[in-house]
Amino acid sequence: GEDVEQSLFLSVREGDSSVINCTYTDSSSTYLYWYKQEPGAGLQLLTYIFSNMDMKQDQRLTVLLNKKDKHLSLRIADTQTGDSAIYFCAENYGQNFVFGPGTRLSVLP
Amino acid sequence: GAGVSQTPSNKVTEKGKYVELRCDPISGHTALYWYRQSLGQGPEFLIYFQGTGAADDSGLPNDRFFAVRPEGSVSTLKIQRTERGDSAVYLCASSLGTSGGGELFFGEGSRLTVL
Repeated sequence: GEDVEQSLFLSVREGDSSVINCTYTDSSSTYLYWYKQEPGAGLQLLTYIFSNMDMKQDQRLTVLLNKKDKHLSLRIADTQTGDSAIYFCAENYGQNFVFGPGTRLSVLP
Repeated sequence: GAGVSQTPSNKVTEKGKYVELRCDPISGHTALYWYRQSLGQGPEFLIYFQGTGAADDSGLPNDRFFAVRPEGSVSTLKIQRTERGDSAVYLCASSLGTSGGGELFFGEGSRLTVL
């Protein structure tokens, strides 16, 4: 079945870059997504990448996609305390969406 | 409404009871999803509606779980004979339902605690 994997924790200092990694299984996924969940809130779409792209940049966010290795990463430049949250990688499987377990990002002052 | 609304936000019940959780999606969104999120885990797919019909209910764990969306808007997730293992946050999401995926808009969830 479909399986999306992520490391569970990441800790960085304020101002440093954060890199969150994800591996997925379905090579037919059209889109790959990064969602952010802040404490007590619902998931919110952060960014996404179309499967025929290698990279997408959006302000402080850079998404890299290695389709051969089914590896997706999210880089957050100049990480701020407000970036502390859980980040979920997701792939679409037809009309369904499969989520990873989430990476909890802690930003230290 | 402006976003996906879920009620109740918190529900505490006793083992064996019946529970209903409601989701009001964004107006005009034809696709509606139910997910379950246990502590420390990612959302786990339960069921997906396209309009009034359940297009994929393969994630429902057993026949105690059932969901409806009779008019293609509001959806209700129904859990019979609740068990302690059903305790989780139940998330609803909606989208425009375009092919190939698209942005999911999530509600804040209904936290179910079964004692």
